[in-house]
Order: sequence, then C-alpha cells, then structure tokens
Amino acid sequence: GAGVSQSPSNKVTEKGKDVELRCDPISGHTALYWYRQSLGQGLEFLIYFQGNSAPDKSGLPSDRFSAERTGGSVSTLTIQRTQQEDSAVYLCASSLKWRGASNQPQHFGDGTRLSIL
Amino acid sequence: AQKITQTQPGMFVQEKEAVTLDCTYDTSDPSYGLFWYKQPSSGEMIFLIYQGSYDQQNATEGRYSLNFQKARKSANLVISASQLGDSAMYFCAMREGGNQGGKLIFGQGTELSVKP
Repeated sequence: GAGVSQSPSNKVTEKGKDVELRCDPISGHTALYWYRQSLGQGLEFLIYFQGNSAPDKSGLPSDRFSAERTGGSVSTLTIQRTQQEDSAVYLCASSLKWRGASNQPQHFGDGTRLSIL
Repeated sequence: AQKITQTQPGMFVQEKEAVTLDCTYDTSDPSYGLFWYKQPSSGEMIFLIYQGSYDQQNATEGRYSLNFQKARKSANLVISASQLGDSAMYFCAMREGGNQGGKLIFGQGTELSVKP
C-alpha cells in the first residue's frame, strides 16, 4: 500500500510570498500531523488533526501558519508572507487513532524542503 | 524544560560491533510511549521500535532493542552487529497520554557513523 505522500518535494520562493504544502496520508489513518525540521535539528510539532475533532494548533509558530484537512484525508499547510526563518523541511505523518500507551507509530512522508530567498 | 534528551550528538562504531544510543525523558504522565526513528541522509523518517510505559519487557525488533529503565527515565537504543547501512541520524521521541493528542516530542538526535 502507498505511504504518506507529500508535494512538492522541493519549493523555492521569495520572501513575502504565500506557499501551500500538501499531504496525503495513508489510507485509513485518522490522525495526521505536521512537523518542521530545521537544518541539523530535531522535529518540531506544528499541528495535529484527529477525525472530526478540532485540530491541535498549539505548535504553530505564528498566525502566518495555518492548516486544513478536507474530508478527513488530504491536508494542506499554508504559510502566508513567508520569512527566511520559515526555511526548513516540513514533514507530514499519519497514524491510526492513538489510545493510551498503545503502539501506533506515526508514519512519515518524505517531506517538503522549503527554501525562502 | 526539555522533555527528551539525547546527549550524544555523534557516535562512531566499528562494523559488526554493538552500539548504544542514549535517551532520557521527562514526564509526569504515567501513560506514555517511547519511539526511536532512523533518518538516513535521504531524509525519510523510519520507525524502528516502540516501548510503552506499561510494558513489562524491553522491546526488541530484529537487531534493535530498547533498554528501558523506567525509574531512571531512560530508553536507550541498542543496535547489535552494526552494518554500514546503519549510518544515519537517530531520534528518540515520546508521546504523552492524557489530552496531548498523540504528538511526538523529539530529541535533538544522534548521528551514528559505522566504520568498515
């Protein structure tokens, strides 16, 4: 079966432009996560979707960042008025619904490498 | 406060030897899960192994095992019989229970280099 699919794989844009990053999760996975990885760093949580529940936006760094998930499947992360510090790899992950301490690993896409000039 | 700490920015190991990558964590939640991921230079994040806070035995997956010491809040990854293809970044991550929604909190990673 297909894994998590992200597009584009690379995006170069000018400072001040808006960008949209797409994530198509594994079929049947109800949980979807966005993370950001800056050069040489660990992953930083951005936002989480679970079914029809309100998303957890606690990791979004500013109001320039937003995300939506349509029909419980595909998600789009939008960054408005991009800044150079937004340059990073944006990773999407999906999993089955998590309960307690159970083993439901998150499966990651290959990421979108975003470069702001 | 940093919740996941990986104190080894870089490690070297001789091919066919075993290596331990350290991870300590901090949480007051009794229900949590610990994960290790591998990130080769190509960039994908590959799930390796999981340990739940209530698991009585240490997790094992092939050449990977997790040395889980709950009282010390450590979850070290042991790779036996290292191979050249094991060269990569390794991340320890924690998922807390309660209403945290399942997001993973990652450490800063350890870069492992396997020497022939």
